[in-house]
Amino acid sequence: EAQVTQNPRYLITVTGKKLTVTCSQNMNHEYMSWYRQDPGLGLRQIYYSMNVEVTDKGDVPEGYKVSRKEKRNFPLILESPSPNQTSLYFCASRPTSGFSGANVLTFGAGSRLTVL
Amino acid sequence: RKEVEQDPGPFNVPEGATVAFNCTYSNSASQSFFWYRQDCRKEPKLLMSVYSSGNEDGRFTAQLNRASQYISLLIRDSKLSDSATYLCVVNPSGSARQLTFGSGTQLTVLP
Repeated sequence: EAQVTQNPRYLITVTGKKLTVTCSQNMNHEYMSWYRQDPGLGLRQIYYSMNVEVTDKGDVPEGYKVSRKEKRNFPLILESPSPNQTSLYFCASRPTSGFSGANVLTFGAGSRLTVL
Repeated sequence: RKEVEQDPGPFNVPEGATVAFNCTYSNSASQSFFWYRQDCRKEPKLLMSVYSSGNEDGRFTAQLNRASQYISLLIRDSKLSDSATYLCVVNPSGSARQLTFGSGTQLTVLP
């Protein structure tokens, strides 16, 4: 089954304790992205990657890091989490080649993070 | 002004009703438009793309008005299962970089 898998789905942590949220896709998509979703603010892009070893900042990158060493994986790293990073996080991927599906994102099921 | 704006609702409608949502976008050069559906605490999923000539998928009709810079979604004969948040999504520049999401319109279909 074509899918985007993120882990953990739920996490409660404390301020300053480094954590990584993993994201993996099995569709050979070039493009991967991380979003956070907060009430009233919608989905905001954190980082995105156009392909292996190519990453760039989205709209709200502060406090986050990413890496893209393999095409299928795009982990999100919070080096020193703070309470304002409490949110629902989604990883997503899509192809970038020129056909009608190139703009259609497939999302993971989400990771709900609470930072105390 | 936000790049993509939606009326947050909530829209509470009886089963069988017809309901319409609008979404406005600020960048007149925007290339691609979509409606995504998001159930409570779940991931967004593509509902339908929006084509220049308008398009229909069963009970759902999407339209694009480039002159006024808005897209619309019409749901006919609402079902209880249509209850969800509907996200308007715009590709502002036609690049592969980014899709911009509206903050969503919440719909509840009542029995």
